[in-house]
Amino acid sequence: AQSVTQLGSHVSVSEGALVLLRCNYSSSVPPYLFWYVQYPNQGLQLLLKYTTGATLVKGINGFEAEFKKSETSFHLTKPSAHMSDAAEYFCAVSDHGGTSYGKLTFGQGTILTVHP
Amino acid sequence: EAGVTQFPSHSVIEKGQTVTLRCDPISGHDNLYWYRRVMGKEIKFLLHFVKESKQDESGMPNNRFLAERTGGTYSTLKVQPAELEDSGVYFCASSQLYSPLHFGNGTRLTVT
Repeated sequence: AQSVTQLGSHVSVSEGALVLLRCNYSSSVPPYLFWYVQYPNQGLQLLLKYTTGATLVKGINGFEAEFKKSETSFHLTKPSAHMSDAAEYFCAVSDHGGTSYGKLTFGQGTILTVHP
Repeated sequence: EAGVTQFPSHSVIEKGQTVTLRCDPISGHDNLYWYRRVMGKEIKFLLHFVKESKQDESGMPNNRFLAERTGGTYSTLKVQPAELEDSGVYFCASSQLYSPLHFGNGTRLTVT
C-alpha cells in the first residue's frame, strides 16, 4: 500500500524567504506525484505534478519540486515566499495508468504561514 | 469553464438523520471522485465513477454511505443514518482520463 508523509504540519517563513515543504512517499514502484494547495474556503488546486521525464518539475506561482527516487522524496520549494502563498499544501501520489490515476493517497497536509 | 460545484457548502445535522451531498462535475468529465477529510486526518479516497458506473468504491467506510451518479452527470452521496464520526469535509473531484483532478470547494458536514 502507498503512503505519504509530509514532515511538519505547520511551517512558518518570513516574506521573501525560501519555502521548503517536505514530502516522502512509500510505494512499491515509483508513483505519479502531485502537490495541491488549498486556500481558505476553496477547493484543492493543482500546483504541479510528476509523471515521467525530467525530475525537476515547475508549477504555478513560482513553485517547483524535484523527484528523487533514491530518497523517495518530492519536496516542494519556492525561492521567495509571498504573503499570498499562505495556505495548506498537500502532497499526493497515485498509481500509474489506467483508472487508478485519480485515486490519490494524500499526506496529512502542511499549513504554510508567511510573516511580513 | 465552470468548475466542480458542490452543495450544500455546509450542513449541520443530528445523529441518526439523513444527509445528501451533491456534486456537479465539469461538463465532459467522465471521471468523478469523492474524497473525505475528517478533522485532523488526511484526505481519503471514497470512490470513483466512470460515467455512471462505480469503478472503485474501496474507500467507502460502511453501508451507511450510498453514492450514485445519474446518467453520468451529477453525483450524490447519501449518509443514512449519520453518525458523529461522519463529520468532516467531503470533496468531489472530476477529470478526463489521465488528466489531473479538479476539486470542488467541499461540503463541511457536522453531525451533532
